Amino acid sequence: DGGITQSPKYLFRKEGQNVTLSCEQNLNHDAMYWYRQDPGQGLRLIYYSQIVNDFQKGDIAEGYSVSREKKESFPLTVTSAQKNPTAFYLCASSSPTGELSGYTFGSGTRLTVV
Amino acid sequence: DQQVKQNSPSLSVQEGRISILNCDYTNSMFDYFLWYKKYPAEGPTFLISISSIKDKNEDGRFTVFLNKSAKHLSLHIVPSQPGDSAVYFCAASEAGANSKLTFGKGITLSVRP
Repeated sequence: DGGITQSPKYLFRKEGQNVTLSCEQNLNHDAMYWYRQDPGQGLRLIYYSQIVNDFQKGDIAEGYSVSREKKESFPLTVTSAQKNPTAFYLCASSSPTGELSGYTFGSGTRLTVV
Repeated sequence: DQQVKQNSPSLSVQEGRISILNCDYTNSMFDYFLWYKKYPAEGPTFLISISSIKDKNEDGRFTVFLNKSAKHLSLHIVPSQPGDSAVYFCAASEAGANSKLTFGKGITLSVRP
């Protein structure tokens, strides 16, 4: 079955450490996205990539970095510069030739800073 | 500035009755509107969508209404079922259905048995 896989499901990080969240899709989608969900804040866009080797900052990119070396993969690194990294992180992908269904989401990664 | 607003954080309805979830937007360039459903600790799943050339789209128990002049859309669920209890996000995009989506903050729907 095609889909998006995010790993790990739960992640604990010490303050001052960088950590990388994995996102892999086998849907052959061109575009991929990273969102962050906080209670009462909805989904906020961190970074997105419309094509391999290209990505754009979203609304809350500070303290994060991404890469898009392969179509299938869009890892997100939460750096020590991110002041409040504890959140639920969601990866999504979409295809410009798809139906009016927007994104396919992964199941998320819960990051907790300890 | 929040471009997609879901002003009611929660809604509780009786099983079998209608649930009406509202969403307002400020960006007149939005062309496509989507509703997603989300359970705790899971990713959102697509529910229903509508393009700006329509004012209504129906899929089973779910109907979305769009009022462009008022920049308002609503999701109707009839009849509501306990399994519908979840967070519902309204989302909108400008250039096409699969371009960058802007989400509202979500509404938590509780359907009482």
